[in-house]
Amino acid sequence: EIVLTQSPDFQSVTPKEKVTITCRASQSIGRNLHWYQQKPDQSPKLLIKYASQSFSGVPSRFSGSGSGTDFSLTINSLEAEDAATYYCHQSNSLPYTFGQGTKLEIK
Amino acid sequence: QVTLRESGPALVKPTQTLTLTCTFSGFSLSTSGMCVSWIRQPPGKPLEWLARIDWDDDKHYSTSLKTRLTISKDTSKNQVALIMTNMDPLDTATYYCARMTISDTNFQYWGQGTLVTVSS
Repeated sequence: EIVLTQSPDFQSVTPKEKVTITCRASQSIGRNLHWYQQKPDQSPKLLIKYASQSFSGVPSRFSGSGSGTDFSLTINSLEAEDAATYYCHQSNSLPYTFGQGTKLEIK
Repeated sequence: QVTLRESGPALVKPTQTLTLTCTFSGFSLSTSGMCVSWIRQPPGKPLEWLARIDWDDDKHYSTSLKTRLTISKDTSKNQVALIMTNMDPLDTATYYCARMTISDTNFQYWGQGTLVTVSS
């Protein structure tokens, strides 16, 4: 089973700041890595698929990069509505796995 | 428009069997490439993938839970069911169903989730 480790677990940031969240896989997963945003009491929402492809309707301040074992999600010019927990997910091999999540707090 | 909705009991007792149903619209699970997964999230904890059923009735399970899980589909009713046996308080979680396709293996569509509490 592939383990995904996100960093950091928690980050407190100010509006307009740039934020980068990383996700490291325990073995190479190509580009089969996806990012989700989850706000309290809501279902997760897909942001980025296959490491760097923006999902339809997602603001352009969200971007992703990486391949193999190291991936990152970047949020440029953070907005208050970006307060949420972010998860990475690998679909390279079954069983699918998720990272432990990164909670973003907006100061 | 793709929608999914989970239903099932809100409360089950330890050792009981849980049956959840995912009712969906906007696609057919008989269409080649379609898949539906179950994912759960204990309160305050991360997401955990549980199982997937494919258009051709192929089934896949979480390694740690596969002895307790059964996933099935009723194509005529647009439903996917998940059965989990021998429920424990640690299984308390919000259970989600989500759709993916075999060519686009990410969860673009999610249900709103259903909270299941395991308590005597």
